[in-house]
Amino acid sequence: AQKVTQAQTEISVVEKEDVTLDCVYETRDTTYYLFWYKQPPSGELVFLIRRNSFDEQNEISGRYSWNFQKSTSSFNFTITASQVVDSAVYFCALSHKAAGNKLTFGGGTRVLVKP
Amino acid sequence: DSGVTQTPKHLITATGQRVTLRCSPRSGDLSVYWYQQSLDQGLQFLIHYYNGEERAKGNILERFSAQQFPDLHSELNLSSLELGDSALYFCASSVAASGGSNEQFFGPGTRLTVL
Repeated sequence: AQKVTQAQTEISVVEKEDVTLDCVYETRDTTYYLFWYKQPPSGELVFLIRRNSFDEQNEISGRYSWNFQKSTSSFNFTITASQVVDSAVYFCALSHKAAGNKLTFGGGTRVLVKP
Repeated sequence: DSGVTQTPKHLITATGQRVTLRCSPRSGDLSVYWYQQSLDQGLQFLIHYYNGEERAKGNILERFSAQQFPDLHSELNLSSLELGDSALYFCASSVAASGGSNEQFFGPGTRLTVL
């Protein structure tokens, strides 16, 4: 069975601080995919990134960066120099080849960025 | 804007009633997924359709059913509604049927309130 754990339920920071969101996953498959989605207060789910299990390279996109470590089954997400617009709930999700495209989500981490 | 549309945006109804939620996928996407987001269960996968055929079922109640039509839009039917069915229902779409690698793009959701 698949499982995604986001241990941090809420993180509060002041603008321009960095914030790191933890994601730990469980799967028995060797081929799997990891995702991060953002849910702003307006409610929609916005796709941020996808990584596959064979690619452990870290990725940076603007102020966002992701650290994928298979050895610890973690896929952490860092927002550098946070802004008020980053306030949202962030979800980590997992899918694996055997289960088709079904996404298993973590419980989400609410990020509050204060001005 | 993800390109996935959902109607209605809000729905308020009474226990025991039946409702239909509608979703149109992004242009070119053949897969449609339904997810339920509730406070106690989080984001849960319900069902997946690809090009009109059911591909996978998740935690979907027997009172719920879905279908995907030849024009690829999908409908989720919820019947004999209970208070606990109150939730945000998301539709997502992706290009492929399986493999797990394709990111899913989510619609804005339908917020269902059962009174």
